[in-house]
Amino acid sequence: DVKVTQSSRYLVKRTGEKVFLECVQDMDHENMFWYRQDPGLGLRLIYFSYDVKMKEKGDIPEGYSVSREKKERFSLILESASTNQTSMYLCASSANRRRFYGYTFGSGTRLTVV
Amino acid sequence: GENVEQHPSTLSVQEGDSAVIKCTYSDSASNYFPWYKQELGKRPQLIIDIRSNVGEKKDQRIAVTLNKTAKHFSLHITETQPEDSAVYFCAASNSNSGYALNFGKGTSLLVTP
Repeated sequence: DVKVTQSSRYLVKRTGEKVFLECVQDMDHENMFWYRQDPGLGLRLIYFSYDVKMKEKGDIPEGYSVSREKKERFSLILESASTNQTSMYLCASSANRRRFYGYTFGSGTRLTVV
Repeated sequence: GENVEQHPSTLSVQEGDSAVIKCTYSDSASNYFPWYKQELGKRPQLIIDIRSNVGEKKDQRIAVTLNKTAKHFSLHITETQPEDSAVYFCAASNSNSGYALNFGKGTSLLVTP
């Protein structure tokens, strides 16, 4: 089974802090994605990446950046955390962009910004 | 970009009844439509998917139908059981977006014994 591992299950950070959320997958997947999940809003795409050092903006990239220095690792960065970034963050990966086989999700990181 | 609408937002059925969740999408180029189930406190899990060259797909008690002309697709669960209680998400994607999934807002299904 593909494993997608998010480094933290729960995080509490202060307003203005720089926050790093880490995601690692172990199946050599090309594609990796970051979503945030909020009640009543579903899953909204923040950023995604098809390859090392490559990134694409999703629907809500404002206030976020990403880093993919290695194929297996995709980091989400909150440059200056704000209370409206309190949310559940889900990382996902999929095999490649030539044919779609569906995502495997991580367990999520519940971030609270105080 | 793609917009996926999902209805209803909540659904309550009695055990043994059928449940139907409907989604519409806006981008006619979309060609892949997965459904995910998310139990409380857990990650979303793929339960069934359909590609645009197929009109219907079944897997035991779960089926998905796709109407490309009308741009809608539906999830059908028959003989529901309490363990089917969860939030269900539909999604759509296409090669133009690199297969990034656009999700509906979810349907909270409750199956009462």
